[in-house]
Amino acid sequence: DGGITQSPKYLFRKEGQNVTLSCEQNLNHDAMYWYRQDPGQGLRLIYYSQIVNDFQKGDIAEGYSVSREKKESFPLTVTSAQKNPTAFYLCASTGQISNQPQHFGDGTRLSIL
Amino acid sequence: DQQVKQNSPSLSVQEGRISILNCDYTNSMFDYFLWYKKYPAEGPTFLISISSIKDKNEDGRFTVFLNKSAKHLSLHIVPSQPGDSAVYFCAASFPGNQFYFGTGTSLTVIP
Repeated sequence: DGGITQSPKYLFRKEGQNVTLSCEQNLNHDAMYWYRQDPGQGLRLIYYSQIVNDFQKGDIAEGYSVSREKKESFPLTVTSAQKNPTAFYLCASTGQISNQPQHFGDGTRLSIL
Repeated sequence: DQQVKQNSPSLSVQEGRISILNCDYTNSMFDYFLWYKKYPAEGPTFLISISSIKDKNEDGRFTVFLNKSAKHLSLHIVPSQPGDSAVYFCAASFPGNQFYFGTGTSLTVIP
């Protein structure tokens, strides 16, 4: 069954620590995205990648980093520079052709210890 | 600046009645519009979409209307069912596949 898998579902970060959120898709999609959702807010774009080995900053990229070494994988690292990391993180993917919906994973909830 | 806006944070509707969720956008370059449904602690699920060359798209109980002159999008759910209770996000994109999302409307369908 094709889909997007995010892990872990819950993650805790200590002060000064970097943590990495995993996102894997088996939909053969070219484009992948990371969003952050805070209570009462919409989805805000952190980073996106249209192709392997290439990615662009979204609206709130500061304090985050990504890599795209494989088509099916797009991990997000929340660095210690991100001062307010507590949020729900969503990964999405879509095909290269325009006018296709994004498919989402079930998200990772990140909290500060 | 929020390019896609959902001005109603919540909506309550009686079971069997029509639910109408609204969305406004500012960028006239958007050419593809979508609605997603989201339950707590889960990812959004794609519901229905519409291209800018159309003004209406139906899928079962769900119909999306697009008014380009008013830059307005709406989702109609008829008849509403308790299982429709969720947060609904509208989204818009233009060529290049970057998507912009509204802040969501929480729909409660009362049995």
